[in-house]
Amino acid sequence: DGGITQSPKYLFRKEGQNVTLSCEQNLNHDAMYWYRQDPGQGLRLIYYSQIVNDFQKGDIAEGYSVSREKKESFPLTVTSAQKNPTAFYLCASSKFPGQGLYNEQFFGPGTRLTVL
Amino acid sequence: EDKVVQSPLSLVVHEGDTVTLNCSYEVTNFRSLLWYKQEKKAPTFLFMLTSSGIEKKSGRLSSILDKKELFSILNITATQTGDSAVYLCAVETGGTSYGKLTFGQGTILTVHP
Repeated sequence: DGGITQSPKYLFRKEGQNVTLSCEQNLNHDAMYWYRQDPGQGLRLIYYSQIVNDFQKGDIAEGYSVSREKKESFPLTVTSAQKNPTAFYLCASSKFPGQGLYNEQFFGPGTRLTVL
Repeated sequence: EDKVVQSPLSLVVHEGDTVTLNCSYEVTNFRSLLWYKQEKKAPTFLFMLTSSGIEKKSGRLSSILDKKELFSILNITATQTGDSAVYLCAVETGGTSYGKLTFGQGTILTVHP
């Protein structure tokens, strides 16, 4: 079964701690993305990566970090510098959105992070 | 700054009703408009629209794009309780190789039996 997996589903963290959210895909997609969703709001882009070993900041990158060492994996670290980290985090992937391709993104099931 | 606005923000209907969800946008370098349905977790893809005036259909759902007036509508006929979800509209932009998606706030649809 091809798809995107995220773990864990629910995560609780104490203030001041860093935490890493996992995202894996077996769709052979080049591009991967991290979004944050808050109640009553749409998705906001945190980071994206179009190829291995390269990634770019999205609209709300402050307090987050990522790595892309393998094509299949794009973990997100929420650092203690993120002022309001409690949110629903969604990972997505797509074929490389260039060369005439449109950017149809496929989403994972999400991780709900709560800071206590 | 690219902007996508959906209306209404929430809607409550009864089974069998027809609903129309709206999505308007102000962006530079428009490439496509996408609709997603989000039930508890992952948004699932519904439609991608790139050309004006061409209706996309899938069962009871249909969508159309107006590139001159900068909006799209998503219609759901004969609604069922299983249609209850958040419907997200996203616009893809980008003149280079990266197609960025900008999302609207979403419309929460509740269908009562």
